[in-house]
Amino acid sequence: AQSVAQPEDQVNVAEGNPLTVKCTYSVSGNPYLFWYVQYPNRGLQFLLKYITGDNLVKGSYGFEAEFNKSQTSFHLKKPSALVSDSALYFCAVRDMRRDDKIIFGKGTRLHILP
Amino acid sequence: KAGVTQTPRYLIKTRGQQVTLSCSPISGHRSVSWYQQTPGQGLQFLFEYFSETQRNKGNFPGRFSGRQFSNSRSEMNVSTLELGDSALYLCASSLEGASSYNEQFFGPGTRLTVL
Repeated sequence: AQSVAQPEDQVNVAEGNPLTVKCTYSVSGNPYLFWYVQYPNRGLQFLLKYITGDNLVKGSYGFEAEFNKSQTSFHLKKPSALVSDSALYFCAVRDMRRDDKIIFGKGTRLHILP
Repeated sequence: KAGVTQTPRYLIKTRGQQVTLSCSPISGHRSVSWYQQTPGQGLQFLFEYFSETQRNKGNFPGRFSGRQFSNSRSEMNVSTLELGDSALYLCASSLEGASSYNEQFFGPGTRLTVL
């Protein structure tokens, strides 16, 4: 069965510092991987995705993520954090081979400290 | 292009009642998925519809049901409401159905409170 784990419930980063939000996954085949962000009282917004090809994926608002097949990870990164990046971040996976649903992690709350 | 819309935005019900939530996907999107979001359980998949057919279903009791119409609009129904059904219910649409690598576009959600 496919699964996704976000090991940190909360991450605190000072404004201007680099940030990383961790995600690991488990699928039987090859994965489609996604990152979404949720601001207060809003639905989720798509940030970026990995389908195939280059392991480093660039997305919205200066975010990027690196697909690491050997470590089954897809960590979200940003070189310089902004206070406005404070939000709830979700990693999601879908098994490429199976006609299956998308699975979301429990989310990581990112606090950027001014 | 208009985004995903959900109605109503807020709903208060009492135990034992039933409720129907509505979702209108982005024009041209044929896949609609529903999720339940709670602080303790995170985002849990309810079901996915594609071209009026249920393609996938999560691990929820039969009190939770849904359907999709020919114009891709979708409804979900919860019967015999329980206190634990209080949650934010999110609808998401995408261009294609299951096995797709397309991202999902989420609505703002319906906040259901069961008293």
